[in-house]
Amino acid sequence: GQNIDQPTEMTATEGAIVQINCTYQTSGFNGLFWYQQHAGEAPTFLSYNVLDGLEEKGRFSSFLSRSKGYSYLLLKELQMKDSASYLCAVNNYGQNFVFGPGTRLSVLP
Amino acid sequence: KAGVTQTPRYLIKTRGQQVTLSCSPISGHRSVSWYQQTPGQGLQFLFEYFSETQRNKGNFPGRFSGRQFSNSRSEMNVSTLELGDSALYLCASSLMGQGVSYNEQFFGPGTRLTVL
Repeated sequence: GQNIDQPTEMTATEGAIVQINCTYQTSGFNGLFWYQQHAGEAPTFLSYNVLDGLEEKGRFSSFLSRSKGYSYLLLKELQMKDSASYLCAVNNYGQNFVFGPGTRLSVLP
Repeated sequence: KAGVTQTPRYLIKTRGQQVTLSCSPISGHRSVSWYQQTPGQGLQFLFEYFSETQRNKGNFPGRFSGRQFSNSRSEMNVSTLELGDSALYLCASSLMGQGVSYNEQFFGPGTRLTVL
């Protein structure tokens, strides 16, 4: 089976750094995606990792360790507009995407 | 390039009725996946269609069905609606389909279905 875990909720302060973790157990791993979803809106793509290491994209970075089944999304210089749910999703060979439960991030002034 | 579109955006039905939702993928994308999103269960995979064929199916009852047309547009049908079917139904399109390397999915705005 496949299992993806993320913290349910996190709170951080504007301007700070926050790390959202995602652990997974899966077979045929073929990449991990992070999506952002604002309340009432569709998920939008943030990042993709298929090899171990860090992928940086502006204020957002994503890290993957395939041997540990672990990824994190790092958000720097937090802004109020970053308040959203963050979904980690695993892509498996020949199978469908599996999404984690999502982490609801609240950014406080 | 136009994004993924879904119609209708909002729908209210009563128990026992059936509903059809429509999704038009990004031009050139051949894969359409459907998801159900509820506060308690998160994003749950329903099925994926690629070139008019259902490739993968999630763990939903047979009341949930779908199809894809030759122009890649897809429809999802739910028969004999239950209260628990109230959810946001999202479709996502991708170029090559799920299970393929770097397969980014682009989501539509969703259809909010309320069953009374």
